[in-house]
Amino acid sequence: QQPVQSPQAVILREGEDAVINCSSSKALYSVHWYRQKHGEAPVFLMILLKGGEQKGHEKISASFNEKKQQSSLYLTASQLSYSGTYFCGTGSGGYQKVTFGTGTKLQVIP
Amino acid sequence: DADVTQTPRNRITKTGKRIMLECSQTKGHDRMYWYRQDPGLGLRLIYYSFDVKDINKGEISDGYSVSRQAQAKFSLSLESAIPNQTALYFCATSGWGDTEAFFGQGTRLTVV
Repeated sequence: QQPVQSPQAVILREGEDAVINCSSSKALYSVHWYRQKHGEAPVFLMILLKGGEQKGHEKISASFNEKKQQSSLYLTASQLSYSGTYFCGTGSGGYQKVTFGTGTKLQVIP
Repeated sequence: DADVTQTPRNRITKTGKRIMLECSQTKGHDRMYWYRQDPGLGLRLIYYSFDVKDINKGEISDGYSVSRQAQAKFSLSLESAIPNQTALYFCATSGWGDTEAFFGQGTRLTVV
């Protein structure tokens, strides 16, 4: 079953912050985050592992709440280049096939 | 050259035709995947392979089959294409464990 992402879409002005949430009905071992720009392939942002620390990548960071089976992606001081569709992917241990969510479309405007 | 190459990039085919989408990777990874992307539905897993002798169905395998010809090659076939298989198809590869997946540029398939 696919993880659920919220919001489905968001529009930001440059410099604003955003949070994208990902929740799963299954116990999670890992959460993966990818960004896809229009017409391109998804590109890896980060992986968070069970028991691991919050990750960061420039002004993009993420957290992983194992008990709530949720992850959040934080984008601070957004830039035009942050526009795209963000996907979370969840792994449940064992053979680590990743199940992706439905995506969150983020648009940053001047 | 791209790490993951998909051919063709675009294809229009008729209902009932057999079509094969090909994927090759130069990452040296054992794991390969086929995903389908539809607006509002995200990326859904069709089939995945963890090595040459291992093939597994994903969430939406009906109407599809795959072949892992070598570590570097993983093909997806639609035996008898139907219009609701019109979608953007992505191949991906990853190493063992929880690691980054590398995606191909996608194949846009239209079934008319």
